[in-house]
Amino acid sequence: EAEVAQSPRYKITEKSQAVAFWCDPISGHATLYWYRQILGQGPELLVQFQDESVVDDSQLPKDRFSAERLKGVDSTLKIQPAELGDSAMYLCASSLSQGLLNTEAFFGQGTRLTVV
Amino acid sequence: QKEVEQDPGPLSVPEGAIVSLNCTYSNSAFQYFMWYRQYSRKGPELLMYTYSSGNKEDGRFTAQVDKSSKYISLFIRDSQPSDSATYLCAMIKAAGNKLTFGGGTRVLVKP
Repeated sequence: EAEVAQSPRYKITEKSQAVAFWCDPISGHATLYWYRQILGQGPELLVQFQDESVVDDSQLPKDRFSAERLKGVDSTLKIQPAELGDSAMYLCASSLSQGLLNTEAFFGQGTRLTVV
Repeated sequence: QKEVEQDPGPLSVPEGAIVSLNCTYSNSAFQYFMWYRQYSRKGPELLMYTYSSGNKEDGRFTAQVDKSSKYISLFIRDSQPSDSATYLCAMIKAAGNKLTFGGGTRVLVKP
């Protein structure tokens, strides 16, 4: 069964260090999302790609976060420098997004980041 | 005020009972509705996806959408301890837009 792959599953980093997360969406999915989920809350969008283009990064803290999807397939999310408040689950999702009936999104297992 | 509201629970039910979950939303632009199940320390798993108002059934799960009231529900029949998880509602305004989530409801099914 096709699934969204994320790595690493867990990451512990010291504050002020750089950290990167990787996501490989389901093959053929044009839309890729990065969400951040703080414990006990619902996920919140950081950035959305349509193919290789960013379509929504309004909630991405651009002074420290960056995201890319160079060939419109896999994607990397980077934080530099990490802060204590960045500790959260980082979730990647993908969606076919073709026509009205393919908007459902499928999530990976997430990367749990702890900043110490 | 958040666009999507969901009671955080916890909701505790005995095994075999019906679990009833709901979300309300404020923006009538939302057109597509999803329910996800999330186990502790895992990613959300898509359970149900609906577009139109009315009911949709899939096994023990029934999703209900009432666009006129801006209210969606998820019912789980014959609940099992393995249904213990956090349930998230999510919705999209149009194809290619972002998902907006509720805060999740934690459910505990006791044997």
